[in-house]
Amino acid sequence: AQSVSQHNHHVILSEAASLELGCNYSYGGTVNLFWYVQYPGQHLQLLLKYFSGDPLVKGIKGFEAEFIKSKFSFNLRKPSVQWSDTAEYFCAVNAGRTGGFKTIFGAGTRLFVKA
Amino acid sequence: GAVVSQHPSWVICKSGTSVKIECRSLDFQATTMFWYRQFPKQSLMLMATSNEGSKATYEQGVEKDKFLINHASLTLSTLTVTSAHPEDSSFYICSAQGGARNTGELFFGEGSRLTVL
Repeated sequence: AQSVSQHNHHVILSEAASLELGCNYSYGGTVNLFWYVQYPGQHLQLLLKYFSGDPLVKGIKGFEAEFIKSKFSFNLRKPSVQWSDTAEYFCAVNAGRTGGFKTIFGAGTRLFVKA
Repeated sequence: GAVVSQHPSWVICKSGTSVKIECRSLDFQATTMFWYRQFPKQSLMLMATSNEGSKATYEQGVEKDKFLINHASLTLSTLTVTSAHPEDSSFYICSAQGGARNTGELFFGEGSRLTVL
């Protein structure tokens, strides 16, 4: 069965600090990988996704993630965070059409950026 | 991006009653909809997968007779919590995927907060 593990439950950073949120998944086959974000009071929205090709994926708002197949990892990064990045971040994986697009989520990481 | 809408966003009911939550894809045809449950400070727990015109597939540990899911059309799925109890109080979120270029990305509704008294 698929599972997703996020390393940090809570992260507190000052503005302009660099961010890296860890994500590891367990699944032996081909996967689609996602990072979703939930800003306070809003619903979940897609930050970025990886299906194939260049393992370094760029998303919205300056976020990027790198897929390292050998490590089953898909870590999220941002070189300089802003106060508006305060949100909860979820890593997610599905096996595509083979798995009926069933998407499994990690526990989430709450990021708080101090102004 | 595609828009998914849930209704109601918040419902309070008495123990023993049933509550229906609707999930609509507003601008695309959702071949598959997923229902999640989110407990405070926890991640989304997948409850069931709903495909249009067929029975929902429930995850292990989810009571199909308690959480009735109907996906009657390509734009509407409903979750009915039957004989609700206080332990059913939670945040229920639907998501949908589909459309002409189905890439596996999920589009989420706003969520529905259920409080059972």
